[in-house]
Amino acid sequence: SQQGEEDPQALSIQEGENATMNCSYKTSINNLQWYRQNSGRGLVHLILIRSNEREKHSGRLRVTLDTSKKSSSLLITASRAADTASYFCATRGPTGANNLFFGTGTRLTVIP
Amino acid sequence: DGGITQSPKYLFRKEGQNVTLSCEQNLNHDAMYWYRQDPGQGLRLIYYSQIVNDFQKGDIAEGYSVSREKKESFPLTVTSAQKNPTAFYLCASRSGRSYNEQFFGPGTRLTVL
Repeated sequence: SQQGEEDPQALSIQEGENATMNCSYKTSINNLQWYRQNSGRGLVHLILIRSNEREKHSGRLRVTLDTSKKSSSLLITASRAADTASYFCATRGPTGANNLFFGTGTRLTVIP
Repeated sequence: DGGITQSPKYLFRKEGQNVTLSCEQNLNHDAMYWYRQDPGQGLRLIYYSQIVNDFQKGDIAEGYSVSREKKESFPLTVTSAQKNPTAFYLCASRSGRSYNEQFFGPGTRLTVL
């Protein structure tokens, strides 16, 4: 399976602290994406990083990609209580179907 | 107001009954997807459709069926053959022009009584 795995499974931090989540995957990829899911809701796309990119920023989000280690990290700086959610990485294979393979998620709790 | 909608939000079904979950999008997206999510788990792909009148099985298609008669609509039927259908079902769509970002509906929570 190409499915990614996030680490840690759960993370609890104080408001204002930074949160780092990691994702590992198994096969070569075209791109890697991060999504956010509030409890009982659909997923929302956060950021996409292509296989030839090493780092990308979007607001308080910073994503890194290390294709040699088949891993990615998502950093949320200056966290807020509203950042409380589950975060998933998703990978797209290098060729063929445009399907995404989702990881198991990191449950982030930001304590006010 | 563009988006992707799913109905109903909550659905209860008796064992042995088929049930159909609705997914509609007005984003003019070519591709549509159905995922299943179990508590504390990631998403698993049930079926996907890249174009009208065509669809493909995903990783866990057994016990499910779909149709894609219109670009806007991709209904999912959970049949009595699905042994453990209680789950959260998510529909998504993707534009052929985008770099594979998917847009998700709010989900349907199906409970089998």
